[in-house]
Amino acid sequence: GAVVSQHPSWVICKSGTSVKIECRSLDFQATTMFWYRQFPKQSLMLMATSNEGSKATYEQGVEKDKFLINHASLTLSTLTVTSAHPEDSSFYICSASISGAGKLTYEQYFGPGTRLTVT
Amino acid sequence: DAKTTQPTSMDCAEGRAANLPCNHSTISGNEYVYWYRQIHSQGPQYIIHGLKNNETNEMASLIITEDRKSSTLILPHATLRDTAVYYCIVRPKTSYDKVIFGPGTSLSVIP
Repeated sequence: GAVVSQHPSWVICKSGTSVKIECRSLDFQATTMFWYRQFPKQSLMLMATSNEGSKATYEQGVEKDKFLINHASLTLSTLTVTSAHPEDSSFYICSASISGAGKLTYEQYFGPGTRLTVT
Repeated sequence: DAKTTQPTSMDCAEGRAANLPCNHSTISGNEYVYWYRQIHSQGPQYIIHGLKNNETNEMASLIITEDRKSSTLILPHATLRDTAVYYCIVRPKTSYDKVIFGPGTSLSVIP
């Protein structure tokens, strides 16, 4: 099946620094990727839709200047948390769907997640 | 907002069938029913999806009522590894439509 990877799997950073999280589709191309955030004992909350070659679409209440998304290729999207603070500590998950003629399955494939801790 | 309602939690004895219900009374004609699950501290895993016919794969069966207003995910022989949060989602079958998660059902498989 389709595989989505994330790097790093966990990261600890100091307050005020920035951290970049990568999301890769390993064996398929993805025109659209999604970024989610999940706090302990809560469900996944969609943050933004990442579109290859264009600007990301952010959900209401998500600061686009704080959570920078870049989707430079059909297999890579990055989320940069700028000037991180302890309240940004969370589990960040990306997902992607297979795109391309003849390969449309429509299921969302999710990455394993990245645990961010801001101290 | 999520378009589905699910019980908050359920228990199931190991080896027995786990039946997870989902209500989606406002489902549109072009929307499919998808099921995902999330094991603790992992990314969600796709299980199965369907439009109106019952579906079965190696993981589970999906039973959708004739009026499509509810469905049931069936894990035929639950194991301890099936302990997870199960999410029922309705969405159009396109690659660009976002998946909105509700709170899901926390399934505990008990030895």
